[in-house]
Amino acid sequence: AQTVTQSQPEMSVQEAETVTLSCTYDTSENNYYLFWYKQPPSRQMILVIRQEAYKQQNATENRFSVNFQKAAKSFSLKISDSQLGDTAMYFCAFSTSGGGADGLTFGKGTHLIIQP
Amino acid sequence: DTEVTQTPKHLVMGMTNKKSLKCEQHMGHRAMYWYKQKAKKPPELMFVYSYEKLSINESVPSRFSPECPNSSLLNLHLHALQPEDSALYLCASSPTLSDRRPNSPLHFGNGTRLTVT
Repeated sequence: AQTVTQSQPEMSVQEAETVTLSCTYDTSENNYYLFWYKQPPSRQMILVIRQEAYKQQNATENRFSVNFQKAAKSFSLKISDSQLGDTAMYFCAFSTSGGGADGLTFGKGTHLIIQP
Repeated sequence: DTEVTQTPKHLVMGMTNKKSLKCEQHMGHRAMYWYKQKAKKPPELMFVYSYEKLSINESVPSRFSPECPNSSLLNLHLHALQPEDSALYLCASSPTLSDRRPNSPLHFGNGTRLTVT
């Protein structure tokens, strides 16, 4: 069974600052996928970024990037130039399927607050 | 705008009521999911349908009854619920059940917030 741990229940930063959300996981699988999802007050779960375990290069999507350390089983999310609209719950998630299609294992989430 | 539509947005029901949650997508996805999310908690997988057949049931009580009448529609029938079943119910879809294409994440709806009184 897989486990995903997010050790920061809540974080608060000023607008335009850079913030890093941490995530660690445990698995015996060799091929897997990691995701960061964002859930704003609108409630919709929005995929922010994904990483394939077999790729050494860290994934990036505009202001969002990850630091994937496979040996340490660590998958942190860095948000650069943070914006008010980044305020949301952020969930780290794990799956053995590329699209998370066999169900996602989520961490407990980090509530990120961007202050004006 | 979400491509997965859930209705209703809010639902209040008594413990003796029978109600249904509806989820619809027109992206041609063949896998659909129900998740339950309690306040300040991550979503928990309930059911997975693949090609209109139930693929995964995560030991969900029988008072929750899923139905997938066609490839675009997923229902969750509710009967004799308990107050602890109050939660946000999220529907999601993906192209197929074991799709390993890089551009095939789960698409989530906005959820139905259910309150059982």
